[in-house]
Amino acid sequence: KAGVTQTPRYLIKTRGQQVTLSCSPISGHRSVSWYQQTPGQGLQFLFEYFSETQRNKGNFPGRFSGRQFSNSRSEMNVSTLELGDSALYLCASSPIGGPPYNEQFFGPGTRLTVL
Amino acid sequence: AQSVTQPDIHITVSEGASLELRCNYSYGATPYLFWYVQSPGQGLQLLLKYFSGDTLVQGIKGFEAEFKRSQSSFNLRKPSVHWSDAAEYFCAVVLGGGADGLTFGKGTHLIIQP
Repeated sequence: KAGVTQTPRYLIKTRGQQVTLSCSPISGHRSVSWYQQTPGQGLQFLFEYFSETQRNKGNFPGRFSGRQFSNSRSEMNVSTLELGDSALYLCASSPIGGPPYNEQFFGPGTRLTVL
Repeated sequence: AQSVTQPDIHITVSEGASLELRCNYSYGATPYLFWYVQSPGQGLQLLLKYFSGDTLVQGIKGFEAEFKRSQSSFNLRKPSVHWSDAAEYFCAVVLGGGADGLTFGKGTHLIIQP
């Protein structure tokens, strides 16, 4: 099976712009989670989608949003970019069943740089 | 709030030596526990997990971890490290229904000396 894919791998944006990142989960996985990784704050949970519904959400401002499509592909959007949004954004997919976040498979991430 | 502590930011180990990476959590209940590894330029890979039962769990790449409820710890071990084990290691927890997602520790950077 192909792994989790994320596009694009690298992005450079300027403050005030918005950005959309895409994630394609492993075939058959219906849960998709997003994480932000920065040197200062480490890995932080953004949100989780399951069957096109946001099921859980981390402590991020409303500028961060996401959605999931019927084929389980997910996108996250960040509006009005700030310098502090520069980070590696990781997507993870999970098969259904079992305890929450039972077995997450991570993609390689999208490196976002905000200038 | 969920809290995961990895006390060691960096650890240097000689190739062939044993390894132990520490992880402590602070909750009233026992969370689900995980160890992930991140190699340079890569996403995270699950090494092992603990939900219940036997407190010594085996993972991939020769790693194991032991859950100690009395110490609120879930330390990762490997009897003999290889140069390819050099990476960043993250301990993570999920509490209850997972409303807060995976909560990660800050990570431990493992350096392997020849």
